[in-house]
Amino acid sequence: AQTVTQSQPEMSVQEAETVTLSCTYDTSESDYYLFWYKQPPSRQMILVIRQEAYKQQNATENRFSVNFQKAAKSFSLKISDSQLGDAAMYFCAYRSYLYNTNAGKSTFGDGTTLTVKP
Amino acid sequence: DGGITQSPKYLFRKEGQNVTLSCEQNLNHDAMYWYRQDPGQGLRLIYYSQIVNDFQKGDIAEGYSVSREKKESFPLTVTSAQKNPTAFYLCASSVQGGSPYEQYFGPGTRLTVT
Repeated sequence: AQTVTQSQPEMSVQEAETVTLSCTYDTSESDYYLFWYKQPPSRQMILVIRQEAYKQQNATENRFSVNFQKAAKSFSLKISDSQLGDAAMYFCAYRSYLYNTNAGKSTFGDGTTLTVKP
Repeated sequence: DGGITQSPKYLFRKEGQNVTLSCEQNLNHDAMYWYRQDPGQGLRLIYYSQIVNDFQKGDIAEGYSVSREKKESFPLTVTSAQKNPTAFYLCASSVQGGSPYEQYFGPGTRLTVT
């Protein structure tokens, strides 16, 4: 079974600064997907960024980028120019490529609560 | 607009009562999922369904039941056998393989049992 570990329960960043959230995972599979979801106080889960394991290039979405290290099984999220609206809980998630055997289920880390200081 | 709806947003029940949480999607997704979230924790999978009239247990299915009579609907019943039912419940859906690969989530239902 896959596991996802987020070792930072809480992080804080000054507005306009950069912060990196860590995520490591354990799997024996070679093909999979990784995601970062944001859960603001409204508790709506919002996809921030996705990474396909077969792609070597790190994904980026505006101020959000990842550092995907497949060999190290590491998937960190970098938020640049942090904004007050970035304050939320962030979850790292793993999804197997093998849909038929895993039904598209995702395994989630325990989350990192990000505070943005004005 | 396509999306997932969950109702109600807040639900209160007395201990010993069964309660059903609603989840509806109009995204034409085949797969649907129920997760439980406790304070300060991640999401744990309760049940999932890949196709109508079929569903499988997730990691914490005890005390819960589901049905999938329609593609659009995947209601979750929290039974009196669930020892700690107070939690935040999230419903999600996804395509059956292929892009997009992520799950889409509803707004959640906060269940409080006293």
